[in-house]
Amino acid sequence: DADVTQTPRNRITKTGKRIMLECSQTKGHDRMYWYRQDPGLGLRLIYYSFDVKDINKGEISDGYSVSRQAQAKFSLSLESAIPNQTALYFCATAGQGAEKLFFGSGTQLSVL
Amino acid sequence: GENVEQHPSTLSVQEGDSAVIKCTYSDSASNYFPWYKQELGKRPQLIIDIRSNVGEKKDQRIAVTLNKTAKHFSLHITETQPEDSAVYFCAASSRGSGYALNFGKGTSLLVTP
Repeated sequence: DADVTQTPRNRITKTGKRIMLECSQTKGHDRMYWYRQDPGLGLRLIYYSFDVKDINKGEISDGYSVSRQAQAKFSLSLESAIPNQTALYFCATAGQGAEKLFFGSGTQLSVL
Repeated sequence: GENVEQHPSTLSVQEGDSAVIKCTYSDSASNYFPWYKQELGKRPQLIIDIRSNVGEKKDQRIAVTLNKTAKHFSLHITETQPEDSAVYFCAASSRGSGYALNFGKGTSLLVTP
């Protein structure tokens, strides 16, 4: 089945380290999103992309960067990780002209 | 930007009772309102959605109502079952924001047998 795959599933890193979270999809969707989930805060949008040449900041983009390497791949980077970036990160996709989001299985990131 | 408020944050009901979760939004341009269910340790999944040109939508035991004038929408679950226990998120989006969904903070629903 077509899916949204995130790697790694879990990651523990130290303050100041650079880390990249990867997302790939086989749904053929144009639009891709990165969300962060914290207990009691819901899902907050970090970045989103409509196609390879399009990148847009979301609500909480500070401290993060993204790269859309291909239609199917959208990676999220933390240039210098800090403890308050400890969270569950979700990648999501949507088809052109459609609003329904399909979420990946998530990456649990812990910054010590 | 869009601000979505969701209440209550936790809700406990007995099996067979109804559950109602309410959300308000701030951006009058928002025109799409989905609800996602997230079971423990799983990814969020869409359970029902409604567009601004519709006042109510129903799918078996689940229904969503929208009041555009008041900028609020609600999720109604009837005849609740233990497997309905999960965190539910409401969201809103508009074409102007690139269809990016703005989520509420979630409601943890517990259905006790």
